[in-house]
Amino acid sequence: AQRVTQPEKLLSVFKGAPVELKCNYSYSGSPELFWYVQYSRQRLQLLLRHISRESIKGFTADLNKGETSFHLKKPFAQEEDSAMYYCALNPSQGGSEKLVFGKGTKLTVNP
Amino acid sequence: NAGVTQTPKFQVLKTGQSMTLQCAQDMNHEYMSWYRQDPGMGLRLIHYSVGAGITDQGEVPNGYNVSRSTTEDFPLRLLSAAPSQTSVYFCASSYSRGRGYTFGSGTRLTVV
Repeated sequence: AQRVTQPEKLLSVFKGAPVELKCNYSYSGSPELFWYVQYSRQRLQLLLRHISRESIKGFTADLNKGETSFHLKKPFAQEEDSAMYYCALNPSQGGSEKLVFGKGTKLTVNP
Repeated sequence: NAGVTQTPKFQVLKTGQSMTLQCAQDMNHEYMSWYRQDPGMGLRLIHYSVGAGITDQGEVPNGYNVSRSTTEDFPLRLLSAAPSQTSVYFCASSYSRGRGYTFGSGTRLTVV
């Protein structure tokens, strides 16, 4: 069964410090992985897709198949980065967009 | 484009009542899903659809029904509301694999 684990429920850093939100997955095939962000009381927004290898709002994430990880990183955190972050996996088998989400990490960036 | 539109935004139900949460998208997306979001649980898939007339169960389907008569609409029906269904419900749609989902603004449901 597919599973996404975000080991930290809460993460607090100071403005300007580096931040890393961890995501580990369990899946035997080649998954598609995503990071979503949810600002306070707003809808979820797609932040990153591993297949596009892009950088959004200064965030990057690299898929490490050996460690089955997809950690989200930013070198210098900003206060506006405070939000809930969800890692999600889409299994490669099957034809549906059946996303499996982790339980989320709440990031707080302190001034 | 309005994107994904959910109505209502807030709803209070009494135990045993039924209701339908509406979801509509104007992006011609084939894939649509319903999730519930609970504290400490993340998002859990209730039902999903890969096109008009095709639906399937997700992780937590009990107590919910869906249908997909058109590409645009994907309503979620609560058959007999229970306090355990108190949650925030998100509808989402996607164009294709790998593109990621676009989410609606959510419906906050309280069952008393």
